[in-house]
Amino acid sequence: DVKVTQSSRYLVKRTGEKVFLECVQDMDHENMFWYRQDPGLGLRLIYFSYDVKMKEKGDIPEGYSVSREKKERFSLILESASTNQTSMYLCASSLLLSSGNTIYFGEGSWLTVV
Amino acid sequence: EDQVTQSPEALRLQEGESSSLNCSYTVSGLRGLFWYRQDPGKGPEFLFTLYSAGEEKEKERLKATLTKKESFLHITAPKPEDSATYLCAVSSNTGKLIFGQGTTLQVKP
Repeated sequence: DVKVTQSSRYLVKRTGEKVFLECVQDMDHENMFWYRQDPGLGLRLIYFSYDVKMKEKGDIPEGYSVSREKKERFSLILESASTNQTSMYLCASSLLLSSGNTIYFGEGSWLTVV
Repeated sequence: EDQVTQSPEALRLQEGESSSLNCSYTVSGLRGLFWYRQDPGKGPEFLFTLYSAGEEKEKERLKATLTKKESFLHITAPKPEDSATYLCAVSSNTGKLIFGQGTTLQVKP
């Protein structure tokens, strides 16, 4: 079974703090993704990566950056957390999407910025 | 424009009352249509992938079907534990993945 593991399930951070969200997948997938999910807004893509050290902006990249130094690991970084970044963050991975491969999600990380 | 629309937004059923959820899509070059189940506070759990019109897949009380314009998730004799939000997504030949807004299902005992 595919496993996507998000290291932190619940975090509370202060405004202005730097926040790291870590994600690891165990299926040798090329693609990894970070989404955020908010009530009424659905899933929105923040960034994705199609290979090590490669990244592409998604629909809402402002205020976020990412890092992919190893194939299995994809990190989301909030350089200076703000209250409007309070949300559930979902990591996902897949093989090549244009070939119709399935995307698998982690359990989610709930971030509260106070 | 690529688009995925799910209906209804919310559905309440009595235990044992079968029904269907709809996912209508417009996409350039469908590569796959995906159904997920999401419980409150958790990440989406993969259910099915469908690739071509006429394809059907089943898992316990769930059956997913696909036409050229829409997919249905049929729930037969649902139980309270089937209560969740069901998400539909499509991938295109450009590698883009588009999600619907989801249908929240509540099954009452």
